[in-house]
Amino acid sequence: NAGVTQTPKFRILKIGQSMTLQCTQDMNHNYMYWYRQDPGMGLKLIYYSVGAGITDKGEVPNGYNVSRSTTEDFPLRLELAAPSQTSVYFCASSYSRTVNSPLHFGNGTRLTVT
Amino acid sequence: KNQVEQSPQSLIILEGKNCTLQCNYTVSPFSNLRWYKQDTGRGPVSLTIMTFSENTKSNGRYTATLDADTKQSSLHITASQLSDSASYICVVEEYGNKLVFGAGTILRVKS
Repeated sequence: NAGVTQTPKFRILKIGQSMTLQCTQDMNHNYMYWYRQDPGMGLKLIYYSVGAGITDKGEVPNGYNVSRSTTEDFPLRLELAAPSQTSVYFCASSYSRTVNSPLHFGNGTRLTVT
Repeated sequence: KNQVEQSPQSLIILEGKNCTLQCNYTVSPFSNLRWYKQDTGRGPVSLTIMTFSENTKSNGRYTATLDADTKQSSLHITASQLSDSASYICVVEEYGNKLVFGAGTILRVKS
């Protein structure tokens, strides 16, 4: 049981380039999330999805896009990368949004934009 | 603004010793409070989840307490081990399912 798998682990982008961060989970969870973690700050929600075909913005969605065509996959797209998007990105999933359903996180993608 | 503040920012203790990490929050109304452990280079892993009506919850050598009146929580680690070296993150869930994350306390356990 792999849980939540993120690829790539590391990436360096030049300003203006685009890329897709991949996230897949094998727990059949309906809920999936993308967070970014910056030094000295708490995680911030970028986008989330409550099921295939349904996505919504979080706190910091500007500069990102997502899609959810299957239950398993929730890719995050960066268009026109900017230095402010240098961060560690975490994908997470949960069975539901109740108190008994903790988030399961992947191991992150460290992105540097120069 | 709803916030979660953790203290200390970092802590070094000797293996075998106990320690307590603090979390103060202003999130209101809140649904539940969670503690996560994040090893270096890894994603956070859930330790405990407490609803507003619970005062304490344990997970092995980890015990979390919650005082909803003073809006404070603590995570107590007993008989620390080298593998406890990690960042510990306090997370408060608002009603409406929004999670507010603290910045974490970095714990280093040395032999």
